[in-house]
Amino acid sequence: SQTIHQWPATLVQPVGSPLSLECTVEGTSNPNLYWYRQAAGRGLQLLFYSVGIGQISSEVPQNLSASRPQDRQFILSSKKLLLSDSGFYLCAWSPPIPPLSSYNEQFFGPGTRLTVL
Amino acid sequence: QKEVEQDPGPLSVPEGAIVSLNCTYSNSAFQYFMWYRQYSRKGPELLMYTYSSGNKEDGRFTAQVDKSSKYISLFIRDSQPSDSATYLCAMSGRDDKIIFGKGTRLHILP
Repeated sequence: SQTIHQWPATLVQPVGSPLSLECTVEGTSNPNLYWYRQAAGRGLQLLFYSVGIGQISSEVPQNLSASRPQDRQFILSSKKLLLSDSGFYLCAWSPPIPPLSSYNEQFFGPGTRLTVL
Repeated sequence: QKEVEQDPGPLSVPEGAIVSLNCTYSNSAFQYFMWYRQYSRKGPELLMYTYSSGNKEDGRFTAQVDKSSKYISLFIRDSQPSDSATYLCAMSGRDDKIIFGKGTRLHILP
């Protein structure tokens, strides 16, 4: 079975510090990978998605970046955090090819709660 | 107009009551309509999905889609305290991008 891991679970960082959040998926190959942010009162916002190693699409221009150095590893980074970067960061994966005539379900990880002070 | 609108709540109902959760949307290209459940400090998990219009039932849960009105609903029968969570509606078209509602916080009172 497939599992998705995220770490750390919680993080408190000062403004201006760097950030690195990691996501790994087990039990599947060539998954589509996603980074979302969930801020209070704003719902889930897609930040980045990737269909393969080194292939990253950005949905929202900001001071965050993403990388996919390995097939099942997705990293979210920042060189300098802003107060507005606080939120709940969720990684998700979906199969590379959706089931025939069906929704390609996204499976979410446990999330990282980031507080920028 | 936002693509997906969802009342954030909170919605409090007594145990055993029928719960109705709703979303409206503006993009007529949406084909898949999903409901995710998210417990506090956890990632969302897919509860149900529906393709195009119609109803879908799974145990105590029923999802309805009315594409003509651009309106979707989730009904929970015989609500339980364990149903207390945030429920997010979500929609997608032919690509894999999902647009989520803000979520409705639901409290089932014992």
